[in-house]
Amino acid sequence: DIQMTQSPSSLSASVGDRVTITCQATQDIRKYLNWYQHKPGKGPKLLISDASKLETGVPSRFSGSGSGTEFTLTISSLQAEDFATYYCQYYDDLPLKFIFGPGTKVDIK
Amino acid sequence: EVQLVESGGGLVQPGRSLRLSCAAAGFKFEDFSMHWVRHVPGKGLEWVSGITWNSGSIGYADSVKGRFTISRDNAKYSLFLQMDSLRPEDTAFYYCGRRRWGGIDVWGQGTTVTVSS
Repeated sequence: DIQMTQSPSSLSASVGDRVTITCQATQDIRKYLNWYQHKPGKGPKLLISDASKLETGVPSRFSGSGSGTEFTLTISSLQAEDFATYYCQYYDDLPLKFIFGPGTKVDIK
Repeated sequence: EVQLVESGGGLVQPGRSLRLSCAAAGFKFEDFSMHWVRHVPGKGLEWVSGITWNSGSIGYADSVKGRFTISRDNAKYSLFLQMDSLRPEDTAFYYCGRRRWGGIDVWGQGTTVTVSS
């Protein structure tokens, strides 16, 4: 079975910092990879789909890259509202399955 | 307004059952795959189950396979999760979500399930 890992598991950063989060898959998953932002008490927010497609309404400071087994989420200039936990997520349709990474918590330095 | 509203959560004893519902509004429900995802505070998100638009393909996480059953009623714009043989480790916040292309783009506000004696 495919497993997803993320690094780091947490990080502290300041407003204006550039933040990079890495997601790795144990097998080639092509570009079947999404990124979400999750804040306590709310449903997650889809930021990036298919590794690099920015969702409508998501600020352009968010970007995604990668394919195969290694993927990256970058926040170019961290804003106060970006402090949250970020998850990568692999999906497959045959059979139907989603797998989330363990998450990366971004908090204030 | 596109909206998903979960209901049916609560406190239940281990081994008992619970049925979650998710009411959809503001979009053509039958056009979308739907999913359940859970979150334990302090832990990560876990995909629970998904179902395609016509119920032709269904998937479950290994942790719930054989105990949980997902279903939908397109005429009633509703998604369901029948949870049997509940365990303490099923305690979580449960979200339903709409899948558009690869990712889940619309989420409900969630409902809490607590499994405890």
